[in-house]
Amino acid sequence: RKEVEQDPGPFNVPEGATVAFNCTYSNSASQSFFWYRQDCRKEPKLLMSVYSSGNEDGRFTAQLNRASQYISLLIRDSKLSDSATYLCAPWVVGAGSYQLTFGKGTKLSVIP
Amino acid sequence: GAGVSQSPRYKVAKRGQDVALRCDPISGHVSLFWYQQALGQGPEFLTYFQNEAQLDKSGLPSDRFFAERPEGSVSTLKIQRTQQEDSAVYLCASSPRTENYGYTFGSGTRLTVV
Repeated sequence: RKEVEQDPGPFNVPEGATVAFNCTYSNSASQSFFWYRQDCRKEPKLLMSVYSSGNEDGRFTAQLNRASQYISLLIRDSKLSDSATYLCAPWVVGAGSYQLTFGKGTKLSVIP
Repeated sequence: GAGVSQSPRYKVAKRGQDVALRCDPISGHVSLFWYQQALGQGPEFLTYFQNEAQLDKSGLPSDRFFAERPEGSVSTLKIQRTQQEDSAVYLCASSPRTENYGYTFGSGTRLTVV
């Protein structure tokens, strides 16, 4: 099983729709979690951090379920500018290990 | 600087050539990561520095890859005897703290080995 798994999509949604992505992780020692967005041929940009059960920032809500080892990202009232690839990244610190491990990303296309 | 700066932005290398990729993190940032991102994939971890100490290099794919950060600021990723499979975008990220915190990425260096 891969360390971080995401549905690659693409998710094609109309403007104004609500869309949710899930991300599962295998390392139960993961301490915190991040969602990044990456536009085509650009670097990842931090979208949200999740340290406990969840976090909300405007139209974006991230939820963490430690028991089931998954994180979700909900986007409400989708905008054309939300079109991007969304990367999930658990942060793990262990003996000799300091890693922010990324999934392959979920591609979102918001269509007019 | 205002952000993480990487140079060169693009690099074309002939197979077998050595390359050096530079990362200037945000001033004062303690933590620094290098990642490799192939087309259509998520970033793959290469190595992690805390100041000048390389605390995790478990992601370096072979002994042809070497990274350093001698004074705890600028970092260089060196790839010796490049191979075609080394073609990828190499991303550097830094953070002001050592523990769990979001990282700021540079624009990357796109390496093409021909």
